[in-house]
Amino acid sequence: GQQVMQIPQYQHVQEGEDFTTYCNSSTTLSNIQWYKQRPGGHPVFLIQLVKSGEVKKQKRLTFQFGEAKKNSSLHITATQTTDVGTYFCAGAKAAGNKLTFGGGTRVLVKP
Amino acid sequence: DAGITQSPRHKVTETGTPVTLRCHQTENHRYMYWYRQDPGHGLRLIHYSYGVKDTDKGEVSDGYSVSRSKTEDFLLTLESATSSQTSVYFCAITRGAETDTQYFGPGTRLTVL
Repeated sequence: GQQVMQIPQYQHVQEGEDFTTYCNSSTTLSNIQWYKQRPGGHPVFLIQLVKSGEVKKQKRLTFQFGEAKKNSSLHITATQTTDVGTYFCAGAKAAGNKLTFGGGTRVLVKP
Repeated sequence: DAGITQSPRHKVTETGTPVTLRCHQTENHRYMYWYRQDPGHGLRLIHYSYGVKDTDKGEVSDGYSVSRSKTEDFLLTLESATSSQTSVYFCAITRGAETDTQYFGPGTRLTVL
């Protein structure tokens, strides 16, 4: 079946530094979505990427969809304590298929 | 949020007892999902529904059953709870197609002793 892997599983970041988390699928995806879950909370949608090579930005967050539509990345610049949480990617093979979630990257910020 | 509530929010039960978790939505969306979340495993789909009385299995459906007799309610039942079913359970909906954005409920923390 479809597998979505995220690396790293944990990310310790000094406040103010940048970091990137990666999402890799075993199959080509129709779209990829990113979610953020704060500690004790529920996953909240951040963004969806659909086109090959697409790049989208949300303030300090930059999302990229690979050319082959099998991988994606989330880059956060100037990390803040508000960035603490777990970031999940989720992809679907094609329209009409269910989303498969990656295992998440848990981000811890050192002040 | 998407008008999703889950009940109960916390539950402690004993091995072998039946447990039913409820997901309620107020916006009449067609697709509803049950996930479990465990450390290191992310979100894993248990069952989903694409309409009243229309349900299907996800990747970790063993030991779980679901029912959807009304659009607004999606019930998850553990017929005989086991300690391996200790987890946080999230309900989710999509507002359009299956691959659209998912909106999650607040979650139910279930502990099976």
